[in-house]
Amino acid sequence: GQQVMQIPQYQHVQEGEDFTTYCNSSTTLSNIQWYKQRPGGHPVFLIQLVKSGEVKKQKRLTFQFGEAKKNSSLHITATQTTDVGTYFCAGTSNTGKLIFGQGTTLQVKP
Amino acid sequence: DAGITQSPRHKVTETGTPVTLRCHQTENHRYMYWYRQDPGHGLRLIHYSYGVKDTDKGEVSDGYSVSRSKTEDFLLTLESATSSQTSVYFCATQTGLLGSPLHFGNGTRLTVT
Repeated sequence: GQQVMQIPQYQHVQEGEDFTTYCNSSTTLSNIQWYKQRPGGHPVFLIQLVKSGEVKKQKRLTFQFGEAKKNSSLHITATQTTDVGTYFCAGTSNTGKLIFGQGTTLQVKP
Repeated sequence: DAGITQSPRHKVTETGTPVTLRCHQTENHRYMYWYRQDPGHGLRLIHYSYGVKDTDKGEVSDGYSVSRSKTEDFLLTLESATSSQTSVYFCATQTGLLGSPLHFGNGTRLTVT
């Protein structure tokens, strides 16, 4: 079946270092969404990318959608302790189904 | 988020007992979803609803049933709870537009002993 693979599963960084998580789909996606889940919390929608090659920024976060609309990345510049949490990508297939990646858990050491 | 309330927030139950989790939304969103979250597995879809009395199975539906008699309420029932169903359960809603974002409830932590 359709899958969205997300790597890495865990990442520990020193505060101030950069962080990137990647998502790869086995099929072309209509769009990709990114969510953040703080420890003990629920997933919260961050952003949606729709166009091939699209790049969007939210302060220190940069989101990219691949040219083939099969992969995406989230890059955080100069991590802060407030960035701690699990980041999920979720792709919408051409049939309208939303498929979540397994998530990347980010730990930031002060 | 989007006026979604899950109840109970925590529950401990014994193996073999039925359990019902409730999701209530005030946003009149068309789609509602039940996910479970377990370490290493991310969010896995159990069941979803695309309207009143219209439901369908997700990828991990065995042992679960759902009902949606009103737009605002989506119930998840574990017919006979097993230890493998110990998990955190999230309800989510979506307006119904293709690819629109999900809004999640605060989750229910269920422990089956």
